[in-house]
Amino acid sequence: DAGVIQSPRHEVTEMGQEVTLRCKPISGHNSLFWYRQTMMRGLELLIYFNNNVPIDDSGMPEDRFSAKMPNASFSTLKIQPSEPRDSAVYFCASSLISGFAFGSGTRLTVV
Amino acid sequence: AQSVAQPEDQVNVAEGNPLTVKCTYSVSGNPYLFWYVQYPNRGLQFLLKYITGDNLVKGSYGFEAEFNKSQTSFHLKKPSALVSDSALYFCAVRDIYGGKLIFGQGTELSVKP
Repeated sequence: DAGVIQSPRHEVTEMGQEVTLRCKPISGHNSLFWYRQTMMRGLELLIYFNNNVPIDDSGMPEDRFSAKMPNASFSTLKIQPSEPRDSAVYFCASSLISGFAFGSGTRLTVV
Repeated sequence: AQSVAQPEDQVNVAEGNPLTVKCTYSVSGNPYLFWYVQYPNRGLQFLLKYITGDNLVKGSYGFEAEFNKSQTSFHLKKPSALVSDSALYFCAVRDIYGGKLIFGQGTELSVKP
């Protein structure tokens, strides 16, 4: 199993541009999570899905952020328009029952 | 609300000495507790978890953790620290209602030769 796969690993973009982060969960896992890590705020849960359905998006900072999970093997996190304060490492994780696995993260820099 | 706290931002240990990274939790019901490690510029790697059973849980890389219900703690331990153990350690509890992991703020472990 290749684990949770995130792309891209690094993204540098200009303020105002749209950014799309991608995640492929582990096959068979039925829950998917998007986390953001910053020095100031640590690890924050943005949104998570059970069986492709968004369950809790209370962590999504504002309307500029949106996430989709069109099928069991793919999810996207989109920021439009991006701002410098969105610079962070974004992690995707997937889970089945008690096992959690994290991707390597996408380091986003908005200049 | 369920939460975890890691009271130390940083722990410094000499190589070969035992190490402890502290974690306390607050949950309603039985907790599902986890430890993860993050090396610089890397993702989170699973170390160990407590779901039920033995209070002493053994995990990867020689780490173990002791679940203490009366003290609501789940401290991470290792008998003999290595320089390569230097990393950021996160304690987490699983939300029994929704399944999400709630993380502590992390503890930076530094092991010096």
